[in-house]
Amino acid sequence: NAGVTQTPKFRILKIGQSMTLQCTQDMNHNYMYWYRQDPGMGLKLIYYSVGAGITDKGEVPNGYNVSRSTTEDFPLRLELAAPSQTSVYFCASSKIQVQIYGYTFGSGTRLTVV
Amino acid sequence: AQTVTQSQPEMSVQEAETVTLSCTYDTSENNYYLFWYKQPPSRQMILVIRQEAYKQQNATENRFSVNFQKAAKSFSLKISDSQLGDTAMYFCAFMKHLNAGNMLTFGGGTRLMVKP
Repeated sequence: NAGVTQTPKFRILKIGQSMTLQCTQDMNHNYMYWYRQDPGMGLKLIYYSVGAGITDKGEVPNGYNVSRSTTEDFPLRLELAAPSQTSVYFCASSKIQVQIYGYTFGSGTRLTVV
Repeated sequence: AQTVTQSQPEMSVQEAETVTLSCTYDTSENNYYLFWYKQPPSRQMILVIRQEAYKQQNATENRFSVNFQKAAKSFSLKISDSQLGDTAMYFCAFMKHLNAGNMLTFGGGTRLMVKP
């Protein structure tokens, strides 16, 4: 059971470039999330999804887009990368009963925009 | 909107001793859930312990326990018999009951160093 898999683990982008951070889970979880963690800070929610075809903005969505065409996959797209998007990005998923099980997190993607 | 505050950016403790990490939160909700997550140097986020606001009894998981004070909106984590493997960032998190997206709000974290 792989859990939540994120790729790549590290990436350096130049300003203005675009990329997609991949996230896939094999636990048949309904809910999926993207958070960013800036150095020395907590996690801030970018986007979330409650099921295939349904996505919604979190606290810091500007500069990002998501899609959820299947239950398993929840990619995060960065268009026109900016230095302010330098961060560690975490994908997470949860069952509906998150109050019991919490989130399952991926291992993160460290992104640097130069 | 809910806010979660962890007032101790860094703490250290000697191996085998006890340490308490603080967390306060601000909410107008009556029903909610609280969590502590551990993030070791590997960066993986690991659920340590959780608490339902409607339960008065403090949650315990082996060497980890919480002191939940609902009126004070306080949710501290106590680690007993600290081990070197407890060295990590610790995040407190809040979730409203009947939250459509089951979203967690995280505090800024406390970096804990366990010294041999």
